[in-house]
Amino acid sequence: DSGVTQTPKHLITATGQRVTLRCSPRSGDLSVYWYQQSLDQGLQFLIQYYNGEERAKGNILERFSAQQFPDLHSELNLSSLELGDSALYFCASSVATSGGSSTDTQYFGPGTRLTVL
Amino acid sequence: AQTVTQSQPEMSVQEAETVTLSCTYDTSENNYYLFWYKQPPSRQMILVIRQEAYKQQNATENRFSVNFQKAAKSFSLKISDSQLGDTAMYFCAFMIPNRGKLIFGQGTELSVKP
Repeated sequence: DSGVTQTPKHLITATGQRVTLRCSPRSGDLSVYWYQQSLDQGLQFLIQYYNGEERAKGNILERFSAQQFPDLHSELNLSSLELGDSALYFCASSVATSGGSSTDTQYFGPGTRLTVL
Repeated sequence: AQTVTQSQPEMSVQEAETVTLSCTYDTSENNYYLFWYKQPPSRQMILVIRQEAYKQQNATENRFSVNFQKAAKSFSLKISDSQLGDTAMYFCAFMIPNRGKLIFGQGTELSVKP
């Protein structure tokens, strides 16, 4: 158990819908990262938040957005869902320093499996 | 742009034997970190080992060790005394400090046979 929690474990929804994935980082970790794992794209970095602020952005679609709250939990919002959004979504966390330096190891949650029908 | 390549999509090994998984990467940076993560059938991503590029000594964690060749941009993982529980997908990953993201290879699916 990495200490990172994600809910829900599974999510089945229809095209065009909107869903929210939730992540709680390990105690003391300030940085949260979101990754998407799909069969055709592999593991792709989506976005990083550090202490409530967006720190780095990957190939995240405009239909996707995220935020990190004052209690450091994070949510990933996926809207106007398409069949191709079906994937395993991981959240990871790391300690980072006060400057947001990302030298620390990232620990992954169990993932949320999203199925879009 | 940084890339990570794992050229072995699948490998198998007999229980108690040793196996080496290959990984190469491409970067113009001098300071970076390399990782091996394991993803068993449960789909959980589990850290196996980490290597800092500035360290010449190869990292080891129990039965897991790496062969880090900075000039060749190679980072292989050796698993000794393979166990059935080592059956998993193994991902090599690269990170530049302060850039946040991990860049993953395509993965190597390892099967340990009894």
